[in-house]
Amino acid sequence: DQQVKQNSPSLSVQEGRISILNCDYTNSMFDYFLWYKKYPAEGPTFLISISSIKDKNEDGRFTVFLNKSAKHLSLHIVPSQPGDSAVYFCAASEGQGAQKLVFGQGTRLTINP
Amino acid sequence: KAGVTQTPRYLIKTRGQQVTLSCSPISGHRSVSWYQQTPGQGLQFLFEYFSETQRNKGNFPGRFSGRQFSNSRSEMNVSTLELGDSALYLCASGLRTGDDTQYFGPGTRLTVL
Repeated sequence: DQQVKQNSPSLSVQEGRISILNCDYTNSMFDYFLWYKKYPAEGPTFLISISSIKDKNEDGRFTVFLNKSAKHLSLHIVPSQPGDSAVYFCAASEGQGAQKLVFGQGTRLTINP
Repeated sequence: KAGVTQTPRYLIKTRGQQVTLSCSPISGHRSVSWYQQTPGQGLQFLFEYFSETQRNKGNFPGRFSGRQFSNSRSEMNVSTLELGDSALYLCASGLRTGDDTQYFGPGTRLTVL
């Protein structure tokens, strides 16, 4: 039972445009969500997080939106840069903080020049 | 500051054997979490240690165990290896349990033949 789903295994975006990565979850007990970025041969790197008391969190070019009623979150990257090409994982946990994370399958983002 | 280190980086074992993987967290970090990454299941949480105590545990059989030492270094042990245990094992360290900004190591690639 996949509690966190990233339905798009891959996404290709032109440099300078907006990249939107989506994530759905089924467990209504999840109240903390994170996005990680992973380059080949490296471990995931924390990008941005959002608590269920918010519906938006912004950090530079990265914005995460949370729609609790739809159990959906998305990561927006604006503008997309070639260095953003990586695999992006969304993750969720119960309770504040990144404990016992449940990860999605990942979306491979490719930024084309 | 040195990052999270994992040893060995690659390991080949045969079914029935046991294996011990090691993780050295970032200096000053007291939380260490372990994850298994496979193509089919994605990233799955194994367990988390904080101050030498297991704080959280994922849904893995008892063949998977771990421990943490007083210097925060952690080991993960898998006994009676099965083919399905072939995976990338990642550890992540944080200042405290549930820390957003967990830092992942590069992982240990285990192949079971």
